[in-house]
Amino acid sequence: EVQLLESGGGLVQPGGSLRLSCAASGFTFSTYAMSWVRQAPGKGLQWVSVISATDNTYYADSVRGRFTISRDNSKNTLFLQMNSLRAEDTAVYYCATDISVGSGGYFDSWGQGTLVTVSS
Amino acid sequence: DIVMSQSPDSLAVSLGERATINCKSSQSVLYSSNNKNYLAWYQQKPGQPPKLLVYWASTRESGVPDRFSGSGSGTDFTLTISSLQAADVAIYYCQQYFTTLRTFGQGTKVEIK
Repeated sequence: EVQLLESGGGLVQPGGSLRLSCAASGFTFSTYAMSWVRQAPGKGLQWVSVISATDNTYYADSVRGRFTISRDNSKNTLFLQMNSLRAEDTAVYYCATDISVGSGGYFDSWGQGTLVTVSS
Repeated sequence: DIVMSQSPDSLAVSLGERATINCKSSQSVLYSSNNKNYLAWYQQKPGQPPKLLVYWASTRESGVPDRFSGSGSGTDFTLTISSLQAADVAIYYCQQYFTTLRTFGQGTKVEIK
């Protein structure tokens, strides 16, 4: 059974940094692309970033240059380094397996999410 | 960016009745070389992460009840719940994966009338 467990969320001041982790199990992590998707309180879903099985990375315009996605296949863990955080980054952040096809991908397994709150 | 628009924003349906959710993309998500529509549907219940229901516009994910069906092509898509059950109360999202920048619709809230 696929399991994804996010951690690292919390309260951070504007301009601050946070590193999210997603521990994966139940599948061959190294062969999957992985994405981060976020959801602001009471709002819809927004894709944030994807990292392919070969470490190619892509970002939404709103986070490019501030966020960095990475993975450690030896530890079956996905990361999201978030710098220069803004109030509008406040959201639940989900990691998801990304079934990449062509340029895009859909998400077939999701973690429970971790809440990031950016506020002074 | 491909903009996804869902309608209605919410709907209330009686138990056992049909629920229909529409999704429109700002450009076609049909890839001509393989004749596949790069469109998925998700269900999100309160306090839970989203769950994949349908991909390739009409392929049901394993374990998803057959009362859920997806249809459409190009820019216009539909998710149909043929006989609404209490367990289907949720917000439903469409998502295109035609481009690297994956985008979602704003969501449709389904409630019991």
